[in-house]
Order: sequence, then structure tokens, then C-alpha cells
Amino acid sequence: KQEVTQIPAALSVPEGENLVLNCSFTDSAIYNLQWFRQDPGKGLTSLLLIQSSQREQTSGRLNASLDKSSGRSTLYIAASQPGDSATYLCAVRAGYKLSFGAGTTVTVRA
Amino acid sequence: SAVISQKPSRDICQRGTSLTIQCQVDSQVTMMFWYRQQPGQSLTLIATANQGSEATYESGFVIDKFPISRPNLTFSTLTVSNMSPEDSSIYLCSVEASTGTGGGQYFGPGTRLTVT
Repeated sequence: KQEVTQIPAALSVPEGENLVLNCSFTDSAIYNLQWFRQDPGKGLTSLLLIQSSQREQTSGRLNASLDKSSGRSTLYIAASQPGDSATYLCAVRAGYKLSFGAGTTVTVRA
Repeated sequence: SAVISQKPSRDICQRGTSLTIQCQVDSQVTMMFWYRQQPGQSLTLIATANQGSEATYESGFVIDKFPISRPNLTFSTLTVSNMSPEDSSIYLCSVEASTGTGGGQYFGPGTRLTVT
């Protein structure tokens, strides 16, 4: 069974600081890995999708890396802003199923 | 990516009653998924719904409690039956992106259910 772990569980930083969010998974036989953002009480917004054959993906201030052999992914958010405050979820896909981590709750202080 | 809507966005229900949640997608999709997110927890897959066949339920979820319909390629419903306070959660539907986009999944805005 795939186990997905996200560290840290919570993070508070001053505005402008770079964010580093970690995700690890136990079974490296994945199809892809997806990072999501969730605002309180809301649905999930897809941020980045990395295929198993890729090493990283970038979108604006966001960059995600994937090391499939070691079962790790890292999401970097550059120059954080108060609007980045949310919970960030990592999900790995094997077959058609997504396995989610518990998330990292980020607070960016103005 | 697909645009997904859900109704209702939230509801407060009494124990013992049932609630049907609707999920509408703006394009035809083969697979639709229903997830539950209990307070303070991450997402758990309830079932996968394919058009024209019965839903496939994950361990711990049964059809009598969570009946699902999938009448066409753009619509699905999830019913939460005989509710108890433990069913208070956010329920989310998701779809797999169309082929050629790497198989990402995209989520609706969720239905926030409170059972009293």
C-alpha cells in the first residue's frame, strides 16, 4: 500500500521568504505526482503535475522536483506572499488511484 | 483542464436522513472519482464511477451507504445514506484529465456536509 508523508505539517514564514515543502512516498512505481493547493473548506486546485519520467516542473514562482528512485518530491515557492497561505497536498498516482499526503499548512505573515 | 461543479456547496442535515450530491463536468470524461475529506484529514477515495457500469468501491466503503449513479459521461451523483455525525466531511468529485495531458486529476469545489 502506498504511504505518502508530508513534512512539515505546518509552516509559518514572513512574506518574501522562499518555501520548501517535502513529500515522500514508499512505492516508487508511480505514474505521476501532483501538487495541489487547498484553501479552508474548499476544493483542490492543481498546481503542478510531474510525470514519472520527469525530474521537475515549473510554473511561475512554483517549482517541483521528483526523485522517483528515492521516493521524494519537493515543492519550492519563491518569494512567498500572504496569498500563498493555504494547505498544500501532494498526491501520487499508481494505476488510476491517487494517494494523498496529509498536507502542509502554510501561513505567510505580512 | 475540466471545469467541475458540485451541488450543493454545503448542507446541514439531520442524522438518519440522506443527501444526494451532484457533480457536473463541462466535457466528457471516462472516469469520475468521489473522495471524502474528514475534518483535519486528507482525502480518501470512496469509489470510482464509470459510465455504463457499477461503481467500484474502496475498502471500507459500501454501496448501501454511498450509492453512486453515472448516467452519462458528464454527470454523476453520490448519495450519503442514513447519515450520522461521523459522515460530516467535505465530499469531492474529481475527473481524470483528457488524454494527452499526462493523466492529472482535477477536482470540483466540494460539498461541505454537517450532520447534526
